[in-house]
Amino acid sequence: AQSVTQPDIHITVSEGASLELRCNYSYGATPYLFWYVQSPGQGLQLLLKYFSGDTLVQGIKGFEAEFKRSQSSFNLRKPSVHWSDAAEYFCAVGTYSGGGADGLTFGKGTHLIIQP
Amino acid sequence: GAVVSQHPSRVICKSGTSVKIECRSLDFQATTMFWYRQFPKKSLMLMATSNEGSKATYEQGVEKDKFLINHASLTLSTLTVTSAHPEDSSFYICSAGTGPAIYNSPLHFGNGTRLTVT
Repeated sequence: AQSVTQPDIHITVSEGASLELRCNYSYGATPYLFWYVQSPGQGLQLLLKYFSGDTLVQGIKGFEAEFKRSQSSFNLRKPSVHWSDAAEYFCAVGTYSGGGADGLTFGKGTHLIIQP
Repeated sequence: GAVVSQHPSRVICKSGTSVKIECRSLDFQATTMFWYRQFPKKSLMLMATSNEGSKATYEQGVEKDKFLINHASLTLSTLTVTSAHPEDSSFYICSAGTGPAIYNSPLHFGNGTRLTVT
């Protein structure tokens, strides 16, 4: 079965500094990979996704992520964070089985804190 | 604007009653809808997958008689929590997509429903 690991529960970054959120996945084939952001009490907003092609994916709000098959990683980056980026970030894997799409498997999330 | 509308956003109910949560796709036909549950400080856990016109597929450990899912049309899926208990209190989120290659298409999430059972 597939799994997603986000090793950092909390990350604190100064405003204007660069950011990298880590994500590792476990799956036998190339998965569909997603990064979502969630503000308190809200649903999820898709930042970006990868399923084939260029391994460096550009997303919204200045985020990008790089798929590295050899490391089973899909880390999220942003060169300069803004206070409005403070939120919970989830990495997710989408897979298919004989019955169709399996639904996303989420990591436990990384809580991003932005300090002035 | 939102393309998946989830209603209500918050609901408080008494133990033993049932609560219905609606998930609507606003400007596309959602052939598949997923229902997730999110515990405090925890990740989202898939509860069930529903395809329009067919029975929902529940994940292991999810009681299908307690969490009734109906996906009767291409724009509406409902989750009914029956005989709710305080341990059912949680944040429930739906997502919707279209087509067999669903991950190739946008997979939109609702804004969630905060259920509190007293």
